Amino acid sequence: DQQVKQNSPSLSVQEGRISILNCDYTNSMFDYFLWYKKYPAEGPTFLISISSIKDKNEDGRFTVFLNKSAKHLSLHIVPSQPGDSAVYFCAASARTSGTYKYIFGTGTRLKVLA
Amino acid sequence: GAGVSQSPSNKVTEKGKDVELRCDPISGHTALYWYRQSLGQGLEFLIYFQGNSAPDKSGLPSDRFSAERTGGSVSTLTIQRTQQEDSAVYLCASSLVGAGLNSPLHFGNGTRLTVT
Repeated sequence: DQQVKQNSPSLSVQEGRISILNCDYTNSMFDYFLWYKKYPAEGPTFLISISSIKDKNEDGRFTVFLNKSAKHLSLHIVPSQPGDSAVYFCAASARTSGTYKYIFGTGTRLKVLA
Repeated sequence: GAGVSQSPSNKVTEKGKDVELRCDPISGHTALYWYRQSLGQGLEFLIYFQGNSAPDKSGLPSDRFSAERTGGSVSTLTIQRTQQEDSAVYLCASSLVGAGLNSPLHFGNGTRLTVT
């Protein structure tokens, strides 16, 4: 049972354009969502998070949007840079249920073309 | 200061042998997690320790897998009688539970386990 899904395994974007990475979830108890970036041979690094009480959170070039009714979140990167090329994972947890266990999606490989 | 540290960074073992993977979390972090990433797959949850509570072992794939966290700090993931399907990158992460939104997971660089 895949509770967090990233249906696009890969995405290619031209440098300077917007990258949009999508994530869907099935568990309505999830109330905290995060995005991570992973380079080869390194651990994932935290990018940005959002609580279910918000529908948008912005940090520099990165913006996360949350649509609770659709159980969908997305990460926008604008403008995209070649250094953004990595695998991006979304993750979710159900904090109000008293757990800090995070469920991750399968990842989307982003390639930013120079 | 230091981040999450995992050792060894690489481990090659023969099928049937036992292995131990170690994780040193960030000092003061009360929660510790183990995940694994098999080739071409996402991050699979294995086990989660939070303070003195009983660990959430719901992700361990079989009874050959076990983990301990001693003194609320260092953790060891043990795989007994390794099988080839255990080959993966094992990732440890820690977080400061209770810090509101500012408590994301901080990952180590992982241990790449190869079972021959």
